[in-house]
Amino acid sequence: GENVEQHPSTLSVQEGDSAVIKCTYSDSASNYFPWYKQELGKGPQLIIDIRSNVGEKKDQRIAVTLNKTAKHFSLHITETQPEDSAVYFCAASMEYGNKLVFGAGTILRVKS
Amino acid sequence: GAVVSQHPSWVICKSGTSVKIECRSLDFQATTMFWYRQFPKQSLMLMATSNEGSKATYEQGVEKDKFLINHASLTLSTLTVTSAHPEDSSFYICSARPHRVGTEAFFGQGTRLTVV
Repeated sequence: GENVEQHPSTLSVQEGDSAVIKCTYSDSASNYFPWYKQELGKGPQLIIDIRSNVGEKKDQRIAVTLNKTAKHFSLHITETQPEDSAVYFCAASMEYGNKLVFGAGTILRVKS
Repeated sequence: GAVVSQHPSWVICKSGTSVKIECRSLDFQATTMFWYRQFPKQSLMLMATSNEGSKATYEQGVEKDKFLINHASLTLSTLTVTSAHPEDSSFYICSARPHRVGTEAFFGQGTRLTVV
């Protein structure tokens, strides 16, 4: 089955700096890659996603890149703010809206 | 956006008792709902996929007789943890996929279960 690895496990950045979180997946059949932000005690919130027919997608300060050949995808957050501090999860799925396999998560701390 | 509501948000129960968690899609019909479990400081792991009107499909290693799933309507799925034990203490999260094709699945806010 699918396996998703996520790095780093923790990331501390200064406010205003950029943050990058990377994931790799194992199953070449996966074609949908969402990123979630989870705050303490809450469910995950979708922040951006990408499908396999696209190499990059951007939404304001957040961008995701996908390299299907290498089975890598990354989350880029620019101009980080303290409210970006949370746990971020990448995930992979064989179909949009289908079951997800999650990475282990990255604790992002933005220091002001 | 679409809203998925879980109830209760948190529950404490005694070891050996059963607990029911509800997952409702408030403004859409969901033919498929997914149940995930998240232990402290860990990732979300899929437990089962629930389809309206049919039996749930459980992931390997998840006891179907312990975690009973009922998806009796297009807006409600329930997860019952039977004979709960302290090791079942976890954060249980559902997601619901709208009936129409080509949409994402939306997550609920989660239910914190503590078994004492």
